[in-house]
Amino acid sequence: GAGVSQTPSNKVTEKGKYVELRCDPISGHTALYWYRQSLGQGPEFLIYFQGTGAADDSGLPNDRFFAVRPEGSVSTLKIQRTERGDSAVYLCASSKTTNTEAFFGQGTRLTVV
Amino acid sequence: AQSVTQLGSHVSVSEGALVLLRCNYSSSVPPYLFWYVQYPNQGLQLLLKYTSAATLVKGINGFEAEFKKSETSFHLTKPSAHMSDAAEYFCAVYGGATNKLIFGTGTLLAVQP
Repeated sequence: GAGVSQTPSNKVTEKGKYVELRCDPISGHTALYWYRQSLGQGPEFLIYFQGTGAADDSGLPNDRFFAVRPEGSVSTLKIQRTERGDSAVYLCASSKTTNTEAFFGQGTRLTVV
Repeated sequence: AQSVTQLGSHVSVSEGALVLLRCNYSSSVPPYLFWYVQYPNQGLQLLLKYTSAATLVKGINGFEAEFKKSETSFHLTKPSAHMSDAAEYFCAVYGGATNKLIFGTGTLLAVQP
């Protein structure tokens, strides 16, 4: 596609529910990143993929968070048993490879009520 | 480990005045540095990048940044601020053991008429 696409753009869910956030990167980009951004903060690194594998998942806050990229393209961030503190904008970015510019999607605004 | 520090979470300038947003990096290897801009309710957009070529880097919208190894700095400047420059600006560097993209905490730029 022309850019990084994230769906949905907004998601409201009840505490305790499961959510999936999708990221469709730019075609041919091998690196894919997930970040979380709270109001007034910089993007907080969650996980990064090179191809299908997670190169670094050190930013995932706990085991309720999981992400996959089974075919090296689309990625899904999965959050189990959501908590109000998970409310944030979740950003996805992709780059051709490491050390090159990353292109960002518009983000998914997650609100846990 | 590589990191970036942005001094000043809020900067206010008058329209037409010089814009200076500060970023210092920490890196044991030659860094790859970036400045991104985020307009309200939008995704991050690349302003400019330093990838070990010219030390003075020109970006979009009249912004530029100078890589100064002796000062470990990569400050963002624009000679004359426009109202449309009001946004949040993030400095970023590739770093860590897995070479992931790491962001600073951001500087919110306000432009006064």
